[in-house]
Amino acid sequence: DAGVTQSPTHLIKTRGQHVTLRCSPISGHKSVSWYQQVLGQGPQFIFQYYEKEERGRGNFPDRFSARQFPNYSSELNVNALLLGDSALYLCASSLTGQGEQYFGPGTRLTVT
Amino acid sequence: EDQVTQSPEALRLQEGESSSLNCSYTVSGLRGLFWYRQDPGKGPEFLFTLYSAGEEKEKERLKATLTKKESFLHITAPKPEDSATYLCAVRVITQGGSEKLVFGKGTKLTVNP
Repeated sequence: DAGVTQSPTHLIKTRGQHVTLRCSPISGHKSVSWYQQVLGQGPQFIFQYYEKEERGRGNFPDRFSARQFPNYSSELNVNALLLGDSALYLCASSLTGQGEQYFGPGTRLTVT
Repeated sequence: EDQVTQSPEALRLQEGESSSLNCSYTVSGLRGLFWYRQDPGKGPEFLFTLYSAGEEKEKERLKATLTKKESFLHITAPKPEDSATYLCAVRVITQGGSEKLVFGKGTKLTVNP
């Protein structure tokens, strides 16, 4: 079975631009969470979605938004990019939003 | 505030030299502690979940244990392929009723042949 997939793998954007990152969860999983990981740090929670509804939001500005589609895939959007948004963005899926979370390979975003 | 602290930050071992990684936590109510392995530039790979003090889980050369305030990841006779960053996370229920994982900064393990 395929694991969590994310696209694109790498992305380079300029300050002020907008970016959309995509995630497909493990088949049968209905919850997706997004995390930001900057170099040398552990992942930080951004959002959790379950059954297309936002269930939780971390301490990130309103420039960050997300949604989940009927097929349980998800998008993370970041507007007005800042240099500090450069990071590895990770998507994790779980069956119900509780218990083990399985991570995708991540999208490496570089903002110049 | 929920907090996870991992030590040491980095650890160098010779192949076959056993050691332990530490994860201490302060949370309002532990609902699960998770260990992940992360290779450079890749997503974390799930290793173990522990739910209650005294619980132990094993997988190949790795064994995870849990007490009321900390968890240990014991690595027995490590091989160079065990080199990675090991992340510890605790499951926390937010005010809105959702779940999130709170991660430590990780321990970077290097095993020399």
